[in-house]
Parts: sequence; C-alpha cells; structure tokens
Amino acid sequence: ETGVTQTPRHLVMGMTNKKSLKCEQHLGHNAMYWYKQSAKKPLELMFVYNFKEQTENNSVPSRFSPECPNSSHLFLHLHTLQPEDSALYLCASSPAGQAAYNSPLHFGNGTRLTVT
Amino acid sequence: AQSVAQPEDQVNVAEGNPLTVKCTYSVSGNPYLFWYVQYPNRGLQFLLKYITGDNLVKGSYGFEAEFNKSQTSFHLKKPSALVSDSALYFCAVRDREGMNTGFQKLVFGTGTRLLVSP
Repeated sequence: ETGVTQTPRHLVMGMTNKKSLKCEQHLGHNAMYWYKQSAKKPLELMFVYNFKEQTENNSVPSRFSPECPNSSHLFLHLHTLQPEDSALYLCASSPAGQAAYNSPLHFGNGTRLTVT
Repeated sequence: AQSVAQPEDQVNVAEGNPLTVKCTYSVSGNPYLFWYVQYPNRGLQFLLKYITGDNLVKGSYGFEAEFNKSQTSFHLKKPSALVSDSALYFCAVRDREGMNTGFQKLVFGTGTRLLVSP
C-alpha cells in the first residue's frame, strides 16, 4: 500500500470519449502532482496543485483538464485524446511549502491509458 | 536548467555480485538528489536521497549511493544483488532554481533497467 491510490488501473478509450482518472492520498500532504510516463522518456511533470491551487502547468494540451477539489483528491479529465497520449499516468503527493524541498514524492501505481 | 543523465538503458548482473547504476547530473548550485525504483505495473518508490552531509547515503533494501561533487555523479550501488532487485531505476535532481516553488520540482532521468540473473 503506497498511501496514494489511483483508479482505474487500466483504461482504454476512443478518441471521442470523455473519461476521468482519479487519485486519492491519505498521507496528509498538501501538494499533488500528475506525471506522464512514456517508454524510454523521462517522466514528464504535467500539473501541480499546492493547497488546492494549480501552481504548475507544463504546456499540457487542453484535452487534459485537472481538478483538485481538496488536498486529498486529484482528478485528470480526458477528452478527445490522441493515440500518442497513450502512456502510464502517475499521481504523486508530497508536503507543500518549505517541507517539500527535502521530501520524496509518494507515487500511486498509475493508470495505464490506451487511446484507440 | 537542471538535467540528469542515466547513460545505461540496461544493466545486467548475476545474483550475489555487486551492482552499480550510474547517474550524472547538471545543476546550478548544490543539488538535491534522489533515487527511485519502479517494479512492473507499479508506481515509483523512493529509495534514498542526498541533501547534504556524508557523501555515502544508505537507503532501502540495502541500496546506497555515493555523491561525488567533482564528477557530478550520484551512482546507485548494492554490494550483493538479488533477483528481486530486477526493476527500473530512476535518478532525479532538484536544484536551487526550484527552491521557491513551494513543491518538489524534480527532473528525472530516462531510467535504467536492472536485470539480475539467478
């Protein structure tokens, strides 16, 4: 048990579908992150939320829409995706503020997304 | 800007032998360095970190890493490999540029697959 839970574990969707990925953490952290992991590439930071406020958006296409209703929950809403968006999407959490800098990220097990 | 290089896509080692997974970094100022491991169908798990102090850092599962400032390296090591150590290993770095973001802004390497044979 990692303390960070992601659902679903696997998702297959067509390019016209709308779906959402969910992340939940019970570690008392106030920063939550979405990463994209593709084969043979470094992890790509997509979004960061600090105390429910979005503080980072790394030029992510608008077909990915994050939502953070509270410090424990994070969503990634998906619509009109492309086949190249197929990847493992990882959620992570950490303390926020000064406490973040020395702290490791805690990752969930990811959602394996396939866009057909 | 900070960057991390993991020069080996894969490292092969026999069980019981020592292993090394290489990492070099480029930052402005002093680095904060991390190693993570990813087992199949799982997320990344934290192994160890270097922030300051002793250059030899000990972490989970018998792993250790040596910080070498002159060579800008942070290689991961284990004296005796186990088959169960077979996994994907990621090095990550943070530098002073990221100190005012309020969150943990890491740059990850591309990963090194470790294969330990019986």
